[in-house]
Amino acid sequence: GAGVSQSPSNKVTEKGKDVELRCDPISGHTALYWYRQSLGQGLEFLIYFQGNSAPDKSGLPSDRFSAERTGGSVSTLTIQRTQQEDSAVYLCASSRGGIETQYFGPGTRLLVL
Amino acid sequence: GDSVTQMEGPVTLSEEAFLTINCTYTATGYPSLFWYVQYPGEGLQLLLKATKADDKGSNKGFEATYRKETTSFHLEKGSVQVSDSAVYFCALSAASGGSYIPTFGRGTSLIVHP
Repeated sequence: GAGVSQSPSNKVTEKGKDVELRCDPISGHTALYWYRQSLGQGLEFLIYFQGNSAPDKSGLPSDRFSAERTGGSVSTLTIQRTQQEDSAVYLCASSRGGIETQYFGPGTRLLVL
Repeated sequence: GDSVTQMEGPVTLSEEAFLTINCTYTATGYPSLFWYVQYPGEGLQLLLKATKADDKGSNKGFEATYRKETTSFHLEKGSVQVSDSAVYFCALSAASGGSYIPTFGRGTSLIVHP
């Protein structure tokens, strides 16, 4: 079946505006992760959803960041009042849960002017 | 907390050279270990994995052995190709308070010249 998809692939916004990034995980995958990858940096964990459990938000850098996952499938990452330091590639990954392999989407490249 | 340390890059090699990318980890539990690869302009994809001590993961000519005694999972390939040019990420995943948040290394860039 289809892999993990993300939209938009690129997003340019002005400082102070809100943005929404979407992730469609692989069907049947119960776990979903959001990461941020800045230029030349590794992956920074943001948030983790597992089934119907409360999400692990321990990686969110500020209260401007939030995410939800509707119906255990599609997820939306929202960044409010964007700042230039939010510019990065935002990656979504899904898995069957636990220590299973993660499958990554192609990412959304966000540029805040 | 858990951590993964990879050798810094870039690693620059000529085609057909031998490759080693070092990876060491610290973990409180019994992690599974992974190598992910990110080709230019693409997302990360699993290269290989090992789930218990002494397991060897292999794929596309790459190998890595889970060494619990040295807490290492070094990536090796006997003869690299230009098409192997990419960023390689070592990662671990273990249960922590019911949560499974993988820990990734910072990535090692590999550049292979013809």
